Amino acid sequence: GQNIDQPTEMTATEGAIVQINCTYQTSGFNGLFWYQQHAGEAPTFLSYNVLDGLEEKGRFSSFLSRSKGYSYLLLKELQMKDSASYLCAVRYYGGFKTIFGAGTRLFVKA
Amino acid sequence: DSGVTQTPKHLITATGQRVTLRCSPRSGDLSVYWYQQSLDQGLQFLIQYYNGEERAKGNILERFSAQQFPDLHSELNLSSLELGDSALYFCASSVGLAGDNQETQYFGPGTRLLVL
Repeated sequence: GQNIDQPTEMTATEGAIVQINCTYQTSGFNGLFWYQQHAGEAPTFLSYNVLDGLEEKGRFSSFLSRSKGYSYLLLKELQMKDSASYLCAVRYYGGFKTIFGAGTRLFVKA
Repeated sequence: DSGVTQTPKHLITATGQRVTLRCSPRSGDLSVYWYQQSLDQGLQFLIQYYNGEERAKGNILERFSAQQFPDLHSELNLSSLELGDSALYFCASSVGLAGDNQETQYFGPGTRLLVL
């Protein structure tokens, strides 16, 4: 299988930093995406990693370790509007399927 | 606005019925993907089309089928509907170049299907 694991829920305080982890099966790995999804809305693209290391994009950064099958999304200076689900998705060779994790629901409190 | 359009926005129907969901990809995108998202569930990949041909298949039931037309719009057909088919159905599109690494998917607003 191609299980993607991420925590179900996380809570953090406005202005703080939060790290959302994602682990996946490495066989056939082609690339990893992070999406943000507010309740009842469509997912929106945040980041894409294909090489090891950290990609920074404003308040959001994404890290990848291909050998460990591990990624994280780092959100800095949290705002209330960051309360949403964050989906980790992995693209695999062999059909180029993209498999989505169940998502991590982030609650940002004042 | 992602540039991907889906119709209808909402659909209420009865068990045993058949419905068709429609998706128009972003201009220039050749790949279309269909996903099902039930309440509190993750996105379940159903099927992908690239330039009119089926490219990848996920957990799509035999009662469900899809196609992509020459103008690149796509339709998802759901038949013999059951209560458990009630969900949000998302369509996404990407440039879809074969071998391209970053096939970022842009999602439409979804069709909310309620089966009574």
